[in-house]
Amino acid sequence: GESVGLHLPTLSVQEGDNSIINCAYSNSASDYFIWYKQESGKGPQFIIDIRSNMDKRQGQRVTVLLNKTVKHLSLQIAATQPGDSAVYFCAERAGGTSYGKLTFGQGTILTVHP
Amino acid sequence: GAVVSQHPSRVICKSGTSVKIECRSLDFQATTMFWYRQFPKQSLMLMATSNEGSKATYEQGVEKDKFLINHASLTLSTLTVTSAHPEDSSFYICSASQGAGYGYTFGSGTRLTVV
Repeated sequence: GESVGLHLPTLSVQEGDNSIINCAYSNSASDYFIWYKQESGKGPQFIIDIRSNMDKRQGQRVTVLLNKTVKHLSLQIAATQPGDSAVYFCAERAGGTSYGKLTFGQGTILTVHP
Repeated sequence: GAVVSQHPSRVICKSGTSVKIECRSLDFQATTMFWYRQFPKQSLMLMATSNEGSKATYEQGVEKDKFLINHASLTLSTLTVTSAHPEDSSFYICSASQGAGYGYTFGSGTRLTVV
């Protein structure tokens, strides 16, 4: 059921600034990671992904960094725009017998001020 | 690109009734579909995984008799919330994958309100 008093982390930035959103993942056996953007009332939208044999991957205005030693993932958004305002989730894909299942992180609310 | 259509987008039902949510892959064959539930200001929680032609695998704590999942074809999976109660009110999201090595495509979600 719903947890009482749960608050998503928030990040507020000015338009044009760079944003960094962090995520700690739980399973050292996870082999694939994805960042999603979710706008209010909509399903998650794919942003960028990275496999566990990489530590950095760049897309258009976005970069994902993976640190397997400390099980940490980050999403960097360059020149953040008001349209980037949304909730951002990291997701990890389990390996082994749970192969294919995605586990989502807590999420971060990004607000971009014009 | 891969598109998943989820219907309805919103539904209001009376307590005790059942509601069916459909998830269709429009331009690819989805060997595996996933169903998630998301409460306000929370993350997506996986409810179950279904492979075409097989029984769904439910996550711990999810009642299989309450949340009936059918994945009878490679393009359609349905989630039926049976005997719905107000605490079942939530945002339900499906995701589809063509299998290992392919990504995941999410539907647009269904807002269920039980009154």
